[in-house]
Amino acid sequence: NAGVTQTPKFQVLKTGQSMTLQCAQDMNHNSMYWYRQDPGMGLRLIYYSASEGTTDKGEVPNGYNVSRLNKREFSLRLESAAPSQTSVYFCASSPRGANTQYFGPGTRLTVL
Amino acid sequence: AQTVTQSQPEMSVQEAETVTLSCTYDTSESDYYLFWYKQPPSRQMILVIRQEAYKQQNATENRFSVNFQKAAKSFSLKISDSQLGDAAMYFCAYVDNDMRFGAGTRLTVKP
Repeated sequence: NAGVTQTPKFQVLKTGQSMTLQCAQDMNHNSMYWYRQDPGMGLRLIYYSASEGTTDKGEVPNGYNVSRLNKREFSLRLESAAPSQTSVYFCASSPRGANTQYFGPGTRLTVL
Repeated sequence: AQTVTQSQPEMSVQEAETVTLSCTYDTSESDYYLFWYKQPPSRQMILVIRQEAYKQQNATENRFSVNFQKAAKSFSLKISDSQLGDAAMYFCAYVDNDMRFGAGTRLTVKP
């Protein structure tokens, strides 16, 4: 099993460009999550999907949209990237809510 | 909103010695989970240990153990017989319906 995979690993964008971060898990987990990690701030939840077909806002959802494409895949879209969105983005999954989360390797995004 | 506080931005330990990392949290819930994650330079988030709030017994995983004080809302991580490979950022996390992380503690292990 690959666990949680994320693509791309690195990305550089110009302000105003759009892009989608992809995440997939092969553990048959119900819940999936997107976090951002900034220096000195730990991880902050952007959006989560408790089950296929549902999505909910986390702590810092502004400027992002998500799609739970199916049980395996959960994508994060930046419609108009801003320098404040420069961060490392992590996807995670868990069997269900309030349970151990398993993380992908992260995507380092730089917005110039 | 639940908050998680790690009051030690950096800690240092001698190889083979014991170190304790602190974590406190704020919640009005009675049912929740607590975690410690390790993040080495590779950036991968690795689960170290997990504690269910309804369990009074402290969780243990090999050289890693926790001191869970529910009334005090404290959840410290003890690493025994520290090894060079333990050097990393350590994050405390709280979960009920969402997940909150502390800002992290950078652990250095001296040979």
